[in-house]
Amino acid sequence: EAQVTQNPRYLITVTGKKLTVTCSQNMNHEYMSWYRQDPGLGLRQIYYSMNVEVTDKGDVPEGYKVSRKEKRNFPLILESPSPNQTSLYFCASSSAETGGYTEAFFGQGTRLTVV
Amino acid sequence: KNQVEQSPQSLIILEGKNCTLQCNYTVSPFSNLRWYKQDTGRGPVSLTIMTFSENTKSNGRYTATLDADTKQSSLHITASQLSDSASYICVVSARTGGFKTIFGAGTRLFVKA
Repeated sequence: EAQVTQNPRYLITVTGKKLTVTCSQNMNHEYMSWYRQDPGLGLRQIYYSMNVEVTDKGDVPEGYKVSRKEKRNFPLILESPSPNQTSLYFCASSSAETGGYTEAFFGQGTRLTVV
Repeated sequence: KNQVEQSPQSLIILEGKNCTLQCNYTVSPFSNLRWYKQDTGRGPVSLTIMTFSENTKSNGRYTATLDADTKQSSLHITASQLSDSASYICVVSARTGGFKTIFGAGTRLFVKA
């Protein structure tokens, strides 16, 4: 089954404690991206990657890091989480063949709470 | 500034009725436009995608239209069902050196029995 898998689904952590949210896709997609979604706001892009070892900032990259060492994985790293990073996070992937680099598949989301 | 604006913000309709959601964008240079359905707390699911040369695309009871001249799109839902209750998000992508994806804030649709 084609899917994007995020882990964990839920996470509560304390300010300053480094964490990683993993994202994996099994569709051999070139393009992967991370978003955060906050109440009343649309999805906002954090980082994206057009292929292995190619990453770029989205609209809200501050406080986040990513890496793309393998095509299937695109982890999101919060080196020193702060309460304003409490949000619902989505990973997404797409193939260049599906009309350009736009997301065709989203993960189920990771709800992060930083206290 | 690249922007995607959706209207209405929310909508309540009776089961079986039709409805139309609007999306206006100022994204340039335009690459494609996609409509997503998002159930509460879940990841968005793609409904349709249209490139510059396409002006209509259907997916079951969902029909999307695109007017690239006026930079407007609509999503028409026919014979609504209770399961159509969700947020509908318009997403426009632009090729700007890299690749930019701009999300609208969504329209929250409530279908009542």
